[in-house]
Amino acid sequence: EVQLVQSGAEVKKPGESLKISCKVSGYNFATYWIAWVRQMPGKGLEWMGSIYPADSDTRYSPSFQGQVTISADRSINTAYLQWSDLRASDTAMFYCARVNAPFGDSSRAHFDFWGQGTLVTVSS
Amino acid sequence: DTVMTQTPLSSRVTLGQPASISCRSSQSLVHGDGDTYLSWLQQRPGQPPRLLIYKVSNRVSGVPDRFSGSGAGTDFTLTISRVEAEDVAVYYCMQSTQFPHGGYTFGQGTKLEIE
Repeated sequence: EVQLVQSGAEVKKPGESLKISCKVSGYNFATYWIAWVRQMPGKGLEWMGSIYPADSDTRYSPSFQGQVTISADRSINTAYLQWSDLRASDTAMFYCARVNAPFGDSSRAHFDFWGQGTLVTVSS
Repeated sequence: DTVMTQTPLSSRVTLGQPASISCRSSQSLVHGDGDTYLSWLQQRPGQPPRLLIYKVSNRVSGVPDRFSGSGAGTDFTLTISRVEAEDVAVYYCMQSTQFPHGGYTFGQGTKLEIE
């Protein structure tokens, strides 16, 4: 059974750093892209970026490039999303999702399994 | 980025009646391989999104057959043949054809409620 289990909710202050995780099981972690998706309170879904764990190839949405870092640790089947300088505007729910893309071709993809979400609240 | 526009943004439907949601893309979603990479997701209240349909009309295993997807090029539709109470959710279309230049983009979401 494919599962993506995310780390728990976080409450942080502006300027702090944070790293949230997405641990996967039930499939070969290395050979599927993992995407991160933001959902601000009461709003829709936004793709932030994706990583291919086999070689750590990473792609970012221009909206999030330089704002976050996506990484992965193949030894523990876990992907990460991190911030070095949180802002109140980073308050949101963050989801990881498996990118089902034949032969790793990300232009032929759909997001078939999702984590439960990690709520990040940034407030002074 | 490829802009995905859904209509309506909100819909109230009587139980047992059909519902349809439209999704229009700013660029053709026909891939060079001839397929079209448009999917539909359902997000029930307080839940993560769930994939319902991929490549326009392919229903995911376990998704009720009252859900169907159709369309081509830039215009797509999600149809629920007979709405049930459990279908109360926000529905999103999403494209991947234009990746990487157009990113992965989602529609704004359509909130489906029961009358």
